[in-house]
Amino acid sequence: AQSVTQLGSHVSVSEGALVLLRCNYSSSVPPYLFWYVQYPNQGLQLLLKYTTGATLVKGINGFEAEFKKSETSFHLTKPSAHMSDAAEYFCAVSGGVTGGGNKLTFGTGTQLKVEL
Amino acid sequence: DAGVIQSPRHEVTEMGQEVTLRCKPISGHDYLFWYRQTMMRGLELLIYFNNNVPIDDSGMPEDRFSAKMPNASFSTLKIQPSEPRDSAVYFCASSLGRGYNEQFFGPGTRLTVL
Repeated sequence: AQSVTQLGSHVSVSEGALVLLRCNYSSSVPPYLFWYVQYPNQGLQLLLKYTTGATLVKGINGFEAEFKKSETSFHLTKPSAHMSDAAEYFCAVSGGVTGGGNKLTFGTGTQLKVEL
Repeated sequence: DAGVIQSPRHEVTEMGQEVTLRCKPISGHDYLFWYRQTMMRGLELLIYFNNNVPIDDSGMPEDRFSAKMPNASFSTLKIQPSEPRDSAVYFCASSLGRGYNEQFFGPGTRLTVL
């Protein structure tokens, strides 16, 4: 079974500041990890994903995340926040190649606020 | 591609009425997922299908909820009878093949049960 913990349901940063959204996962098999973003009144869209290989993954809109197996973490970062980054962010894990199929387990989400 | 299509986008109904939500997945995708999102419970997986066959319906809250996928291009989620606590945003998502492929989400249906 898999689970995801997102620390901090609300994060506020100043425009231009570093964005750091935390995600820790639990999985009995090597996981596939995802970050999704949800803008108001819209569905979720993929920011980036880790499957295998390079542990630093780059996504859209300048976001990146690093898979750290020893820490069971997949934190999302962006060097400089923009007002348009204000949204809710979800970390998710799937069962990987050995199980769980395409079923995703989502974290509870982190609402990012960007202030002037 | 038009993406995942859901209808209606908004639904307001009275308690006890039947509600049917519809989803058209992306052409060629073989997995379809129904989610419910509320402030209290977050994003919950209700049921998912592979090649039109229900694989896991353990998230369906109770017998009032049912889902079907009669063909590869159409799925419905039905609530009968509806209750105020069913008020939520319902998302449909589809994906292709293996677990490393992303799920593509529709815009959602906002359901309000009075």
